[in-house]
Amino acid sequence: EDQVTQSPEALRLQEGESSSLNCSYTVSGLRGLFWYRQDPGKGPEFLFTLYSAGEEKEKERLKATLTKKESFLHITAPKPEDSATYLCAVQAGAGSYQLTFGKGTKLSVIP
Amino acid sequence: DTAVSQTPKYLVTQMGNDKSIKCEQNLGHDTMYWYKQDSKKFLKIMFSYNNKELIINETVPNRFSPKSPDKAHLNLHINSLELGDSAVYFCASSPRIYYEQYFGPGTRLTVT
Repeated sequence: EDQVTQSPEALRLQEGESSSLNCSYTVSGLRGLFWYRQDPGKGPEFLFTLYSAGEEKEKERLKATLTKKESFLHITAPKPEDSATYLCAVQAGAGSYQLTFGKGTKLSVIP
Repeated sequence: DTAVSQTPKYLVTQMGNDKSIKCEQNLGHDTMYWYKQDSKKFLKIMFSYNNKELIINETVPNRFSPKSPDKAHLNLHINSLELGDSAVYFCASSPRIYYEQYFGPGTRLTVT
């Protein structure tokens, strides 16, 4: 069974204090790993897809990386507007169509 | 323009009632999904349709029935609502089966 574990569950940062969120996964044949951002009362917003170990993607202050066992979402010099819950999801290969989500990391950036 | 829309946004109803949630996407995507997010914020797939064909049918009570009249719409009908059905239900769509998914704003269902 596919499993996704995100850590930490919650993270408080001062504005400008860089950090990383972790997503470790167990899946039979990874087809893709997805990062989403979810604001309170809203649907998840797509950020990145990573397909193979060593791949990196960047968007503004966010950078996602992938290894064979985990993915990191690095946040550089965060701002209060980066506060949200960040969700990681995996999609297995071999005819499995669904995403398996982790429970998320709730990020709070304090001014 | 809203890409994935759901109606209603809030739904409060009594146990035993039947209700429907509607979803529409204007992205031209082939694949649509229904997810349930429980009180612990855990997001779990329920159903998926690809070109109007059911491709994911997770273990959910058969009181839940999806219907896809066309590629742009996926509705969720729930019979005999129970307290445990209270959750936020999200619709999503993706260009193809294995691509990134785009979520709607959610429907908060409260069963009293």
